[in-house]
Amino acid sequence: DAKTTQPPSMDCAEGRAANLPCNHSTISGNEYVYWYRQIHSQGPQYIIHGLKNNETNEMASLIITEDRKSSTLILPHATLRDTAVYYCIARSYLPDKLIFGTGTRLQVFP
Amino acid sequence: KAGVTQTPRYLIKTRGQQVTLSCSPISGHRSVSWYQQTPGQGLQFLFEYFSETQRNKGNFPGRFSGRQFSNSRSEMNVSTLELGDSALYLCASSLAELAGAYEQYFGPGTRLTVT
Repeated sequence: DAKTTQPPSMDCAEGRAANLPCNHSTISGNEYVYWYRQIHSQGPQYIIHGLKNNETNEMASLIITEDRKSSTLILPHATLRDTAVYYCIARSYLPDKLIFGTGTRLQVFP
Repeated sequence: KAGVTQTPRYLIKTRGQQVTLSCSPISGHRSVSWYQQTPGQGLQFLFEYFSETQRNKGNFPGRFSGRQFSNSRSEMNVSTLELGDSALYLCASSLAELAGAYEQYFGPGTRLTVT
């Protein structure tokens, strides 16, 4: 599985967009980019995933660069409840397992 | 649909004992994965079961084992507990049949403390 690199921490004002970057320069063609988040001591929560195209769902948007070496998770209007550790994962399916890095601790402040 | 459930939520054991943790996946999900989370090592993959067979395994000693039942419920067992086994043990289930973009849904975890 490709290794991902994320900043250890970020701050964001409530109501503003939170843009969380992820570098995955060694990602291979069959690896998807997945994002999960973990609110203190709870199980990780799936957010979004993508392969090549940008993706959007009710929680977030995922922007993947054309060369697929990096991506950005966008929370359009961050709330205090978005304070969590966000994990970016480059995932293959053979074998199927999630390899978590250290993630980005996002702190949303009032 | 009910989410992934794990029992017990909290457990305290003594060094040398063994422990069994249980996971009930989301209805219809046949794949169950187990992860260990510690402050020092972060989230690490233990193993995955599909249709009662271990399909993938992480780099953990043989003291860590698991199984899956015909109803997809899974248990993991840790024998001869060590202090370093204190961790949050997370179970995740997914629809994954073969390779495919199936997300894993996590349970709340079992917090194991070894004294």
